[in-house]
Amino acid sequence: GGIITQTPKFLIGQEGQKLTLKCQQNFNHDTMYWYRQDSGKGLRLIYYSITENDLQKGDLSEGYDASREKKSSFSLTVTSAQKNEMAVFLCASSSPGGIYAEQFFGPGTRLTVL
Amino acid sequence: GDSVTQTEGLVTLTEGLPVMLNCTYQTIYSNPFLFWYVQHLNESPRLLLKSFTDNKRTEHQGFHATLHKSSSSFHLQKSSAQLSDSALYYCALSDGGSNAKLTFGKGTKLSVKS
Repeated sequence: GGIITQTPKFLIGQEGQKLTLKCQQNFNHDTMYWYRQDSGKGLRLIYYSITENDLQKGDLSEGYDASREKKSSFSLTVTSAQKNEMAVFLCASSSPGGIYAEQFFGPGTRLTVL
Repeated sequence: GDSVTQTEGLVTLTEGLPVMLNCTYQTIYSNPFLFWYVQHLNESPRLLLKSFTDNKRTEHQGFHATLHKSSSSFHLQKSSAQLSDSALYYCALSDGGSNAKLTFGKGTKLSVKS
């Protein structure tokens, strides 16, 4: 078994601020993901990474940067927080694809922008 | 690109009645993998069941689903709803590629009442 940890659990920022969210996993999984969860809009993929130093854009990458410097960690940066933005950011990881492509999710970071 | 369509919004049921949450998908890949994830309140999404075999029923924790490639569907069913089934349910699609990238539907919230 393994675990995914996300920090911080709650993040409050100001409009225009640059904010960084962090994710660590000890599954030894190759692939990691960042999703944004908004009520009624499902889980939307922001970035994913199939190995250390790899980055792939998802459907919602505009306004975000990501960094995968180690296999176990994956960071997401909100480049300029938008006023009244409120969402949960979920990190996930998975082993190689096909039938084994189960994704395991972290507990989430809840973002509020004032 | 790939897309997943689920029963919209909120489904409210009385305990003991059958559950059916619809999921249809669109993809160019002939061998897609389909998943149902469940997210209880204040928890992370976790895998409920998965399938890649056409017309084969897959079951887990009282829920079942059958992938029908002819109709591009993977509906989630349970014969008798329990209060503890109240949660957010996501249907997701993978092309089976090595990056295990998933496309999620918008989610269906199931509320079971006594």
